[in-house]
Amino acid sequence: EIVMTQSPATLSVSPGERATLSCRASQSVSSNLAWYQQKPGQAPRLLIYGASTRATGIPARFSGSGSGTEFTLTISSLQSEDFAVYYCQQYNNWPPGITFGQGTRLEIK
Amino acid sequence: EVQLVESGGGLVQPGGSLRLSCAASGFTFSSYAMSWVRQAPGKGLEWVSAISGSGGSTYYADSVKGRFTISRDNSKNTLYLQMNSLRAEDTAVYYCAKSWRISAYMDVWGKGTTVTVSS
Repeated sequence: EIVMTQSPATLSVSPGERATLSCRASQSVSSNLAWYQQKPGQAPRLLIYGASTRATGIPARFSGSGSGTEFTLTISSLQSEDFAVYYCQQYNNWPPGITFGQGTRLEIK
Repeated sequence: EVQLVESGGGLVQPGGSLRLSCAASGFTFSSYAMSWVRQAPGKGLEWVSAISGSGGSTYYADSVKGRFTISRDNSKNTLYLQMNSLRAEDTAVYYCAKSWRISAYMDVWGKGTTVTVSS
């Protein structure tokens, strides 16, 4: 099973600043990497797929990069609504199945 | 509007059974793979099971293999998860999610249904 490791566990950033979240895979997942945003009491929302393609309706301040084992989600200028938990997910290794990172909590500094 | 609505959650005793449903609308249900993903209280996301658009292929996480069964009724645009031999560690919010193929990202999620396994 591919293990996805996200860092940091918690990131404190001020509104208007840039946030950089990392995700590492235990083996190569090519570009088969997605990012999700989850707010308290809500379902996850797809942000990025294919490591760098924004999903429909996602603002341009969200960008993804990387391939192989190292990936980054960047939020260029944080808005109040961006403070949430972010998960990466690989979908390269099938079977046995999809695996998620443990999440990064983005909080207001 | 593409929508997924889960139902069937509740409180069940250890060893008991429950069947979750996910009603889909706004897209051609049979053309898409579907998954169940769960989230234990205060924890991260865990993929549980997936099924192909036709229903002919199914996959399970090791943690539920042999206890849970995923199925779908394309005539009713509904996804199911039959959960047997439930354990305390199955307590979670269960989400259904849509993807364009069985091993892919999930672009639409339901709001979830809560399953609590406790005596």
